[in-house]
This record gives sequence, C-alpha cells and structure tokens, in this order.
Amino acid sequence: DAGVIQSPRHEVTEMGQEVTLRCKPISGHNSLFWYRQTMMRGLELLIYFNNNVPIDDSGMPEDRFSAKMPNASFSTLKIQPSEPRDSAVYFCASRTRLAGVSEQFFGPGTRLTVL
Amino acid sequence: GESVGLHLPTLSVQEGDNSIINCAYSNSASDYFIWYKQESGKGPQFIIDIRSNMDKRQGQRVTVLLNKTVKHLSLQIAATQPGDSAVYFCAENNDNTDKLIFGTGTRLQVFP
Repeated sequence: DAGVIQSPRHEVTEMGQEVTLRCKPISGHNSLFWYRQTMMRGLELLIYFNNNVPIDDSGMPEDRFSAKMPNASFSTLKIQPSEPRDSAVYFCASRTRLAGVSEQFFGPGTRLTVL
Repeated sequence: GESVGLHLPTLSVQEGDNSIINCAYSNSASDYFIWYKQESGKGPQFIIDIRSNMDKRQGQRVTVLLNKTVKHLSLQIAATQPGDSAVYFCAENNDNTDKLIFGTGTRLQVFP
C-alpha cells in the first residue's frame, strides 16, 4: 500500500493567489482529516470527513479555506486568496472507523509558503 | 514537512539509555490515547496506543503508561537508538468524537 498520498509536496505562491492541496487516502479508509502544523500552534485539525461527508469544520480558520471530498479516494483543501500567515505544513490523514477510533495514518505533508 | 521547531521541550539521551517522554492531557473524558513519532520531513507515524481501561501497554522497545488520576501519559523507549531521534506527540480522544487532540510535542535527541 502506498499510504496516504499528498500533492504537491512543496508549494510556493504569492499572496492573493489560489492554492489547492490534494490528498488521496489509503484505499478502504472511510475517514479523512486535514491538519495544519505551524511552529506557533502545533498540529491543528482543520476539518474531517466520514464517508465523504464533512463532519466537523470548526477548525477551518476562515472563509478563505474550503475542503471537498468528491469521492472516497480524493480530497482537496483550497485557500483563496492565500495570505502569508497561511504558510505551514498541511497534513492529510485517513483511517478506518470501526467500532471506535483507531489510528490515523498521515501523509508526508505539503509545505506551503505564501510570500 | 518538518514538525514544530524551535520552542519544543527537548530530551537528550545517550545511545543505549532508556528514554521517558511525558505528556499531560487535558480532558478527563478522554478514553483513547496515541503516541506519534514525527521525523524531519515526514508526517506523524503511529507508535503505540492505549485505552483508558488499561494502565500499561507494551510494544517493541516501547511502553506506554497511563495515569488517569493525574491525567498523565508517558512513553518509555528502551535502549534508545539514533533512529529514535524525532519529535514525539501524544494525542487524546474520547468516543463521543472522531477528533484527536495533539499535545505540543517533545524533541528527542540521541547522541553517541
């Protein structure tokens, strides 16, 4: 299994531009999570999906951020317009939700730099 | 994807010694806990987990201890190796939610 796949691995963009981050969860996993990691705030949950449906987006910073999961094998996190304070590493994670919470498998992350 | 950097508490140990990394969790209703290891440039990687009906769980070279009275979790690594150098995070959860709440992390440095 290739694990959780994220693309791109690195993104450098200018303030005001639209940024789209992509995630392919592990096949068969039915929960997907987007996290942001920064020096100041550590690892924060932005949003998560169960069976492609957004369950909790309370961690999304503001309306500039949006996430979609059109099918079980693909999700996007979009920032429009991007700002320098969005610079961070964004992780996607997936898991199978059985009788309860189980371990989440993380992707390698996308390092975003907004100039 | 580098992990949180400059302001992390750091534990420095000599190769071959045992390491103990501590974590205080916040929610007394949490009933599931995980330790993750994050190496430079990678995402967090699952190490070991424990449910609140247990006090101790052992894996290969790692042991997790849970003290619910004081809401404290620890990760013990036996015979620490250079490959153990990383940032370690604890995470907590309760069955009422799918969310994991992560701690701030501890950087483990292993020197020869």
